[in-house]
Amino acid sequence: EAAVTQSPRNKVAVTGGKVTLSCNQTNNHNNMYWYRQDTGHGLRLIHYSYGAGSTEKGDIPDGYKASRPSQENFSLILELATPSQTSVYFCASGGDRGRNTEVFFGKGTRLTVV
Amino acid sequence: GDQVEQSPSALSLHEGTGSALRCNFTTTMRAVQWFRKNSRGSLINLFYLASGTKENGRLKSAFDSKERYSTLHIRDAQLEDSGTYFCAADMGYKLTFGTGTSLLVDP
Repeated sequence: EAAVTQSPRNKVAVTGGKVTLSCNQTNNHNNMYWYRQDTGHGLRLIHYSYGAGSTEKGDIPDGYKASRPSQENFSLILELATPSQTSVYFCASGGDRGRNTEVFFGKGTRLTVV
Repeated sequence: GDQVEQSPSALSLHEGTGSALRCNFTTTMRAVQWFRKNSRGSLINLFYLASGTKENGRLKSAFDSKERYSTLHIRDAQLEDSGTYFCAADMGYKLTFGTGTSLLVDP
């Protein structure tokens, strides 16, 4: 079974502070993703990556940066956190280009910005 | 933009009964995934389909890429099936999600 590990699982941050969410995958997948999920919405794509050193903007990238320093690790960075960024964040790996592959998700990080 | 229309948004079933969830897609995609979000908030992979149908226990899913829809059938529903079900269209570089179906199974 594919393994995607997120940390922290829960985080409370203050408005204007910097937040880094980390994700590690041991599946050797090239693609990694960060989504957020809010009540009444499906998961929405923030940033994604095709491999180490690559980051791409998703559908809702404003207010977020991403970093992919290695095949295994993909971070989501909130430089100046705002209450509107309170959400549950999911990291995922899989779905390599050119091949039909499943995407596997981590258990999520619940972020509250106060 | 790309859209995934999922229905119903909420569903209540008595134990032992069944129903179907549906997702319609506004564009052609190469595959569909179905997930269940459990009470602990984890996304559980249910199915990945590039075409045809798949069955796993009391769940069965179908995907028609030409007609741009997918279905998830649940039969003999159990209490532990409660949760939010999401379909997601595989666009090749990302998944585009439906808004989810909140399923409640009661005794």
